Amino acid sequence: EPEVTQTPSHQVTQMGQEVILRCVPISNHLYFYWYRQILGQKVEFLVSFYNNEISEKSEIFDDQFSVERPDGSNFTLKIRSTKLEDSAMYFCASSETSSYSNQPQHFGDGTRLSIL
Amino acid sequence: ELKVEQNPLFLSMQEGKNYTIYCNYSTTSDRLYWYRQDPGKSLESLFVLLSNGAVKQEGRLMASLDTKARLSTLHITAAVHDLSATYFCAVVSFSGGYNKLIFGAGTRLAVHP
Repeated sequence: EPEVTQTPSHQVTQMGQEVILRCVPISNHLYFYWYRQILGQKVEFLVSFYNNEISEKSEIFDDQFSVERPDGSNFTLKIRSTKLEDSAMYFCASSETSSYSNQPQHFGDGTRLSIL
Repeated sequence: ELKVEQNPLFLSMQEGKNYTIYCNYSTTSDRLYWYRQDPGKSLESLFVLLSNGAVKQEGRLMASLDTKARLSTLHITAAVHDLSATYFCAVVSFSGGYNKLIFGAGTRLAVHP
């Protein structure tokens, strides 16, 4: 069964450094998302992406965050200058259509980001 | 702004017992998903509920959706240890033609002998 793949599985970074999290969505999917989950808390929406542009972003997704689909297969989340509070599990998700359908969003295994 | 509340947040069950997890949400939506998460793992889609009155069953789990009451339930029948996990409901929020999932806080289920 096709999967959303994320790399790396664990990223340790010094505060203030830039980090790029990578995702390969399922190949025929058109909608892409990033969510994060701080340890022990709920999953929070960060950003949705469609047709090579951001369709919606949350308050968490400030100027330090950016997303890109550089080559038609990868979907990346960049944090420009990391803060301690960015430590979380980051999930990439993709869906074939918008969620106004019977298709759920499929989630990757996540990247655990630890900021020191 | 759409808010999603789950209860209980923690549930300790004996094997063989039945229980229900509740998911309430604050504004109109007719799309709701249930996900399962094992510790340190990703989110596994369990059920997609697309309309009022939808009921889906898979093994010992059954999910339902009442859009008028803005309530979904996940019923566990004759629990077994393998069901121990955290269960999240997620409601689809539409905005400007696009969508996102708003998650509940999750219910951590522990099934013991």
